[in-house]
Amino acid sequence: AQKVTQAQTEISVVEKEDVTLDCVYETRDTTYYLFWYKQPPSGELVFLIRRNSFDEQNEISGRYSWNFQKSTSSFNFTITASQVVDSAVYFCALRPNTGKLIFGQGTTLQVKP
Amino acid sequence: DAGVTQSPTHLIKTRGQQVTLRCSPKSGHDTVSWYQQALGQGPQFIFQYYEEEERQRGNFPDRFSGHQFPNYSSELNVNALLLGDSALYLCASSLGGDTYEQYFGPGTRLTVT
Repeated sequence: AQKVTQAQTEISVVEKEDVTLDCVYETRDTTYYLFWYKQPPSGELVFLIRRNSFDEQNEISGRYSWNFQKSTSSFNFTITASQVVDSAVYFCALRPNTGKLIFGQGTTLQVKP
Repeated sequence: DAGVTQSPTHLIKTRGQQVTLRCSPKSGHDTVSWYQQALGQGPQFIFQYYEEEERQRGNFPDRFSGHQFPNYSSELNVNALLLGDSALYLCASSLGGDTYEQYFGPGTRLTVT
C-alpha cells in the first residue's frame, strides 16, 4: 500500500517557538519522491520542497529544515523561530512510481503572537 | 508569467445537477492534474490529462470526467452531483505528463446543496 500519515492534526505554538511537523510514508517502490506543501487560507498549495528517495541529506532553507530518514520512512519538517505568517495547513506528499501524488491528511499549524 | 488559473472561484449547485470547472495551466506546461480536497482532508488525485488524453485516474466514479484542449487548458465535469462532492477542486499543471514538479491553482470551491 502507498500511504502518507501525518499524525498531528493540529499544532499550536507561540511565535518564536520551534515546531516539527511529522510525516511517515509507506511505499514498496525504491524510487519515489517526497514533497511538502503549504496551504494558506487562500487555498492554493505552495510548494516547499521535493526530495528523491536516493538523497537522504537533510536540507535547510532559511527557517525551514527537513529531515529525511529512509530507515524510519519519515520526512519531518521543522520551522525554527516560528512566525504568525507560518500559520497554515501543511501537507506531506509521496510520488511513487505510478506518478500519482498521494497526500497526507495535513497538519494545521497555528502560530500565536 | 501567468500561473495556474481556475474558474469559477466558488460555485453552488443542487444535488443531481452537473458542473464544469475550468483550469488554465502555467505558461509552458502541457499536463493538467485534478484533485478533490474535502474539508479537513488532503487532496485526492482524480485524473491527469496529457496530450489531450486521460493518462491516469484515481479512485473516482465515472461521474467525474474531463477534457483537455489543444491549448492545454482543461475541464473537469461532474454529473449527478451528490452532497459528498462538496469540496475544493484543485488543478495542477506540470510538464511532459509527469508530476515531478506541479504548480497548483487556487482551486474552485464547490458546494452541493
